[in-house]
Amino acid sequence: EIVLTQSPGTLSLSPGEGATLSCRASQSLSSSFLAWYQQRPGQAPRLLMFGSSDRAPGIPDRFSGSASGIVFTLTISRLEPEDFAVYYCQQYGRSPYTFGQGTKLEIK
Amino acid sequence: QEQLQESGPGLVKPSETLSLTCTLSGGSLSHYYWSWIRQPPGKGLELIGYIDYSASTSYNPSLNSRVTMSIDTSKNQFSLKLSSVTAADTAVYYCAKGSRPIVVWGRGTLVTVSS
Repeated sequence: EIVLTQSPGTLSLSPGEGATLSCRASQSLSSSFLAWYQQRPGQAPRLLMFGSSDRAPGIPDRFSGSASGIVFTLTISRLEPEDFAVYYCQQYGRSPYTFGQGTKLEIK
Repeated sequence: QEQLQESGPGLVKPSETLSLTCTLSGGSLSHYYWSWIRQPPGKGLELIGYIDYSASTSYNPSLNSRVTMSIDTSKNQFSLKLSSVTAADTAVYYCAKGSRPIVVWGRGTLVTVSS
């Protein structure tokens, strides 16, 4: 199965700053099959990005995604207080579809 | 707006079968995949498997021998059964719409395995 490794494990930043989260796949993966989810404390995850770079409906444009080979990146510009949460990547290109272990974005 | 709601026992004894149902409101189960995902307390996400409107299923190989999913489109419900549970199966269980990717999530229900 494809293992997704997210880094860093925890990212401490201040509101207004930019954040860069990484997700590395253990083998080749089409950029068409990578999603990002946000999970706020006590809530279910919600879809942010699919196809590496397509925003889900209602997601603000300060969220963007990109891919370079087996490394996928979620970028959040101008952090808002509600952006501090845990972020997961998921691949759905090869079964079983797997998630990364998560990156916690916390307020510095 | 589509909403998903999990229901079922919050406590299951070791070696017994965990049974959960997901009810969809504001939409139809037709023409989509419907997933179950779990999250142990303080840990990450694991896709258990998914089912489509025709009852075609795909299960995570790590749980394959213990998982059964079913669907009842007339009731707008789909279900999960996980047999021979242990403490390691304690988790928040989410039902969801989609698998590639997961587009709508239920709120989740905590299932604890304990005697």
